[in-house]
Amino acid sequence: QQPVQSPQAVILREGEDAVINCSSSKALYSVHWYRQKHGEAPVFLMILLKGGEQKGHDKISASFNEKKQQSSLYLTASQLSYSGTYFCGTEGGSQGNLIFGKGTKLSVKP
Amino acid sequence: EAGVAQSPRYKIIEKRQSVAFWCNPISGHATLYWYQQILGQGPKLLIQFQNNGVVDDSQLPKDRFSAERLKGVDSTLKIQPAKLEDSAVYLCASSQSGILEQYFGPGTRLTVT
Repeated sequence: QQPVQSPQAVILREGEDAVINCSSSKALYSVHWYRQKHGEAPVFLMILLKGGEQKGHDKISASFNEKKQQSSLYLTASQLSYSGTYFCGTEGGSQGNLIFGKGTKLSVKP
Repeated sequence: EAGVAQSPRYKIIEKRQSVAFWCNPISGHATLYWYQQILGQGPKLLIQFQNNGVVDDSQLPKDRFSAERLKGVDSTLKIQPAKLEDSAVYLCASSQSGILEQYFGPGTRLTVT
């Protein structure tokens, strides 16, 4: 079952914050977040494991609510380099076979 | 550390022709994935290998797609015969194990005319 991401697109000014949500209808073992810039390959951001803690690096962090089967990605004080499409990938087992959402397109303007 | 290598980067073929893609994962990565990414959508897993064994190929259209990973390193993905709807970017990714972060290659953009 493909996870649902929201919003589909968001436009920000530099320095503004954003939240991207990812929800699944099935129990999850882990949630992965990737960012893909136009014409490039997806780049890993972070993994959240069942029973694990909230992750973060720099000004990007994420949470994982196992009971609600939801994850949220938080981008704080956005920079121009944050522009791209963000995908969540969900996994029901522990094999690493991810199902990716349709993505959220983030545009950061000066 | 060298990244995931893929070739060719672009390929244009006519429908009903065959095509093959090659992937060389990051050294030491046991798990290798092939994804299909249609424009405007997220990557869709086609097949996952653990060393040279198949872990998951449930979404691979086996009547036309095949993949192998000989000796647990390089992998090839083949489409025969191609259809118009196979036009997409084919991404190869690798990870140290199934539950860790995946590193993607640059992809092969396939256009079927």
